[in-house]
Amino acid sequence: SQKIEQNSEALNIQEGKTATLTCNYTNYSPAYLQWYRQDPGRGPVFLLLIRENEKEKRKERLKVTFDTTLKQSLFHITASQPADSATYLCALGNEAGGTSYGKLTFGQGTILTVHP
Amino acid sequence: GAVVSQHPSRVICKSGTSVKIECRSLDFQATTMFWYRQFPKQSLMLMATSNEGSKATYEQGVEKDKFLINHASLTLSTLTVTSAHPEDSSFYICSVSTGLNEQYFGPGTRLTVT
Repeated sequence: SQKIEQNSEALNIQEGKTATLTCNYTNYSPAYLQWYRQDPGRGPVFLLLIRENEKEKRKERLKVTFDTTLKQSLFHITASQPADSATYLCALGNEAGGTSYGKLTFGQGTILTVHP
Repeated sequence: GAVVSQHPSRVICKSGTSVKIECRSLDFQATTMFWYRQFPKQSLMLMATSNEGSKATYEQGVEKDKFLINHASLTLSTLTVTSAHPEDSSFYICSVSTGLNEQYFGPGTRLTVT
């Protein structure tokens, strides 16, 4: 069965350092992978999408890599700030037929805490 | 992206009653919306795909007669939890897909069944 694992339940780092989160998957060939941020009691917020034919994508202080051979994605936050503290979720999806409104399968999330 | 609202944000109901949760797409006409459920310290689990003007598609293990979904317009989908029980207490979140495979989520509804 499909399985998505995010490397650790919690990650603690010092402000200014780079946070690296890992998402591994098995028994899955996703067309794309997404990263979301979720704050307590709130819905997830879309951050980045990377497709299977892309190796890397960047957005401001965020960087995502996607290795379909290793079946792994790495999510980096550079120059981390306490405001980056949240749960980060990876999600995998496939292109749906027709309108391409694909369903997502989520990992369990990594709780990131950035200490001042 | 899309801006999505949910109402109510929190609801407490008694066991055996039904509760309706609304999901509105405020700035995007959504043919398809998704409903998720999230238990404490767990990830989001897709419950169903809501299609405007047609029946919803439910994930395996989700009872369609218990979780009624109506998507009567391009901006509104509703989830009704019928005959709610304490085990239905959870965080219910809807999302809108804009056609680029990105999903934009509502703020969620915390349901507590006593």
